[in-house]
Amino acid sequence: DADVTQTPRNRITKTGKRIMLECSQTKGHDRMYWYRQDPGLGLRLIYYSFDVKDINKGEISDGYSVSRQAQAKFSLSLESAIPNQTALYFCATQTTEGNEQYFGPGTRLTVT
Amino acid sequence: QKEVEQNSGPLSVPEGAIASLNCTYSDRGSQSFFWYRQYSGKSPELIMFIYSNGDKEDGRFTAQLNKASQYVSLLIRDSQPSDSATYLCAVSSGSARQLTFGSGTQLTVLP
Repeated sequence: DADVTQTPRNRITKTGKRIMLECSQTKGHDRMYWYRQDPGLGLRLIYYSFDVKDINKGEISDGYSVSRQAQAKFSLSLESAIPNQTALYFCATQTTEGNEQYFGPGTRLTVT
Repeated sequence: QKEVEQNSGPLSVPEGAIASLNCTYSDRGSQSFFWYRQYSGKSPELIMFIYSNGDKEDGRFTAQLNKASQYVSLLIRDSQPSDSATYLCAVSSGSARQLTFGSGTQLTVLP
């Protein structure tokens, strides 16, 4: 069983629609992250959470919001999707003490 | 703005050769350094991490860190076609230990 899961794995949506991407983990890690990946740009941090009550903006948070429903669940929302939000989105987890991050399988989002 | 730069590639090496991947970083306070491997369409997979100056070896992989030069590298010995992937350098810094990623180097190992 996968330790970090993301749903949906692929999504096509239209401009202006609201969409939610979900991440769940069974690793018991406190820290969770959302990244987006665009060709040639590597991974860029959108939001991160150190626990249910601690949520922080990353490098590129504009146009996104998040919800940490439980230690194991961290959701990313696009309130009004636009075409330049077309990207591969990854969720990652990390322990409080450690430095390594562990990634989910990714969600490929296309906004038309 | 913390920056992590990687040699842009793409890099091609013949099977059995040594592949050398390089990364520089801008934040002198960076504490931990990671190499992730990412196959096309897949998620990044951690393959090496290094915290101290010098070399760290794990099988065919060697990570090298020089904090004075703000430079970290990954050597892959006896390269195999299955090593063909994009390699991401990531640097951790600050009390939050956030990762900043480079844009990746695409490696192709030719049979």
